[in-house]
Amino acid sequence: RKEVEQDPGPFNVPEGATVAFNCTYSNSASQSFFWYRQDCRKEPKLLMSVYSSGNEDGRFTAQLNRASQYISLLIRDSKLSDSATYLCVVNAGSASKIIFGSGTRLSIRP
Amino acid sequence: GAGVSQSPSNKVTEKGKDVELRCDPISGHTALYWYRQSLGQGLEFLIYFQGNSAPDKSGLPSDRFSAERTGGSVSTLTIQRTQQEDSAVYLCASSLLAEYNEQFFGPGTRLTVL
Repeated sequence: RKEVEQDPGPFNVPEGATVAFNCTYSNSASQSFFWYRQDCRKEPKLLMSVYSSGNEDGRFTAQLNRASQYISLLIRDSKLSDSATYLCVVNAGSASKIIFGSGTRLSIRP
Repeated sequence: GAGVSQSPSNKVTEKGKDVELRCDPISGHTALYWYRQSLGQGLEFLIYFQGNSAPDKSGLPSDRFSAERTGGSVSTLTIQRTQQEDSAVYLCASSLLAEYNEQFFGPGTRLTVL
């Protein structure tokens, strides 16, 4: 089993739709979690951190479920500009235990 | 211009040559990371620095790969006797502190080994 697993997609949804992806992790000692966004042929950029209590930033909501060992990202009212690959990142407490998922590709159509 | 910078942005080399990739982290960031990303793949961790020390080099693919960091700032990743399978985008990231802090990435160096 991979340490961090994501559905590769692609998710192809119409503009304005709500879309959600999950990311599962295997190391129960994982302490911090992030979602990054990566546009084609660009570097990853931090989208948001994921807190135990869940957090929201505009149209984006991130949740953590420690019992089932997954994090989720919900995007409401999707925009064409949301088209990208979304990477989940799990940190098990040391710099060498920062694991990136392979990413979920999202494509928003007009 | 306070972001992470990397040079060169593109490097084409012949198999068997050595290459040196450079990363300038965000000023004041103590932790620096090197990753490799092949086309359509996720990020592969290579090495990280806390200050000038590299506590974990286990991600380096072979002894042809080495990295150093000087003055707690600039880092270089050297690949000796390049092979075609070394072709990838090499990404550098820095964070204020290691472990829990979010990372900020540079634009990467696209390495092509012919």
